[in-house]
Amino acid sequence: KNQVEQSPQSLIILEGKNCTLQCNYTVSPFSNLRWYKQDTGRGPVSLTIMTFSENTKSNGRYTATLDADTKQSSLHITASQLSDSASYICVVSEYGGSQGNLIFGKGTKLSVKP
Amino acid sequence: NAGVTQTPKFRILKIGQSMTLQCTQDMNHNYMYWYRQDPGMGLKLIYYSVGAGITDKGEVPNGYNVSRSTTEDFPLRLELAAPSQTSVYFCASTRQAITDTQYFGPGTRLTVL
Repeated sequence: KNQVEQSPQSLIILEGKNCTLQCNYTVSPFSNLRWYKQDTGRGPVSLTIMTFSENTKSNGRYTATLDADTKQSSLHITASQLSDSASYICVVSEYGGSQGNLIFGKGTKLSVKP
Repeated sequence: NAGVTQTPKFRILKIGQSMTLQCTQDMNHNYMYWYRQDPGMGLKLIYYSVGAGITDKGEVPNGYNVSRSTTEDFPLRLELAAPSQTSVYFCASTRQAITDTQYFGPGTRLTVL
């Protein structure tokens, strides 16, 4: 069964510190992996999209990595800010699947404290 | 551009009532989606559409209906509301294929009592 598992479930860090969120998936065949940021009470916002051939992608202070061999991805946040407090969702798309075939992880809830 | 807009933001329904959740996008996107998000769970796809007049079921379509008469609008209809439909509903759109960025609306929080 295609699954996306994220860890940790929640994380508290101090402002200015770095952190790394993990995503493991069993989706096969793989098409692409994306990371979303979801602020409380808002819709998800896309941070990065990576295909099979990409192993790193950055968006400002956010850097996503992908290891398609081990089916793992990480999202690294550098010099965290209070506004980074949100849930971060990993989403994997199945290659050749229907247009609706995105598998969503449950998310990691990040809290950045002053 | 306003992006993806959803109405209403909040709604309380009684068991057995019906309602329509509205979704509109002004980006001329072909693909539109409806998801539900339950507490502590990942988003689940209810229905999606690849263009006007074309819709298809997602993972959890029971109890819902959709229509797509225009490119801009993709309403979600709940018939005979049940407590299990208490959730936050998100509409999303994307320009072309599934590899493109999805843009989400702000969500509708629905409670069925």
